[in-house]
Amino acid sequence: GAGVSQSPSNKVTEKGKDVELRCDPISGHTALYWYRQSLGQGLEFLIYFQGNSAPDKSGLPSDRFSAERTGGSVSTLTIQRTQQEDSAVYLCASSSQGGYGQPQHFGDGTRLSIL
Amino acid sequence: AQRVTQPEKLLSVFKGAPVELKCNYSYSGSPELFWYVQYSRQRLQLLLRHISRESIKGFTADLNKGETSFHLKKPFAQEEDSAMYYCALSSPPGTYKYIFGTGTRLKVLA
Repeated sequence: GAGVSQSPSNKVTEKGKDVELRCDPISGHTALYWYRQSLGQGLEFLIYFQGNSAPDKSGLPSDRFSAERTGGSVSTLTIQRTQQEDSAVYLCASSSQGGYGQPQHFGDGTRLSIL
Repeated sequence: AQRVTQPEKLLSVFKGAPVELKCNYSYSGSPELFWYVQYSRQRLQLLLRHISRESIKGFTADLNKGETSFHLKKPFAQEEDSAMYYCALSSPPGTYKYIFGTGTRLKVLA
């Protein structure tokens, strides 16, 4: 595709609900990353995929957060029992190869607001 | 532990003035460093990477291992340079983690 695509672009939900965020990486990119961008906090690494496997899940803030990737392509980030502190912009990025020294291509993000 | 520090949250300069956005890193090996930029209402995008030693939009960044710095510089700022700038460190092989700084907002005043 032309670039990394994320959906929805905006999501407003009530505290306690589950949300699912989707990322469609650039075709052929094997590496996929999720980040959280909070006001004044920069980019917080959440999880990385190489193909369908996630070698590094250390950034997931709690067990309410999970992610999966299927077919080496689309990834979903799921947040269960959302809390107000989960409000942020969730960014997805992909790169042509995983790891060291590879530049990342970002999507527009999903702005999540928890009421 | 690896860390990237951008000490300035906001930097304001006048058009035509030199710009230097500071980035310091903490890493024991040979770092792979990047600058990313996010213009208003646009997605985050790569500006430059130290390994390529190129100049993009008039910006350059030199890796100084002695000072563990990778400052972004431009001799003459333009109004269109106003944006959010992030410095990033690529982790060592096997971990695949990127570490981003907290970002510096650059405002170029007319």
